[in-house]
Amino acid sequence: EIVMTQSPATLSVSPGERATLSCRASQSVSNNLAWYQQKPGQAPRLLIFGAYTGATGIPARFSGSGSGTEFTLTISSLQSEDFAVYYCQQYNDWPLTFGGGTKLEIK
Amino acid sequence: EVQVLESGGDLVQPGGSLRLSCAASGFTFSNYDMGWVRQAPGKGLVYVSVISGSALTTFYADSVKGRFTISRDNSRNTVHLEMNSLRAEDTGVYYCARRIPSNHFDSWGQGTLVTVSS
Repeated sequence: EIVMTQSPATLSVSPGERATLSCRASQSVSNNLAWYQQKPGQAPRLLIFGAYTGATGIPARFSGSGSGTEFTLTISSLQSEDFAVYYCQQYNDWPLTFGGGTKLEIK
Repeated sequence: EVQVLESGGDLVQPGGSLRLSCAASGFTFSNYDMGWVRQAPGKGLVYVSVISGSALTTFYADSVKGRFTISRDNSRNTVHLEMNSLRAEDTGVYYCARRIPSNHFDSWGQGTLVTVSS
């Protein structure tokens, strides 16, 4: 099973600043990686797939990078609605696996 | 508009059974895989099961293999998750999601709560 490790577990950032979230795979997943955003009481929402392709309707301030085992989600200028939990997920191999999440909180 | 709506969540005793349903609309249902992902209270997302668009192929997490069965009815645009021998650790919100074949989950329902407790 491919283990996905996200860091940090909690990230405190001020509105308007940049946030950088990391995701590491225990073995290469090529670029078969997605990022999801989840707000309290809501379903996850797809942000990025294929490691760097933005999903429909996702603001340009969200960007993904990386390949193989190291991936990054960057939010260029945080808005109030961006404070949430973010998950990475690999779909390169079965079983599909998610990272433990990074909680992005207001500083 | 793509819509996915789960139902069937309930309180059930350990060892009991439950059937979850997921109704989909707004897309050509048989062209997409469908899957279930669960989230224990206060915890992260965990993959449970996926079924291919043709229903010929199914996948399960090891933790549910032999206890859960996923199925779909392409004439009714529905997916089901039959859950048997339920355990306390199966408790959580179960999300139904559309999956691009061999790819990511792109549309999620709002979830249905399953509580396994005596």
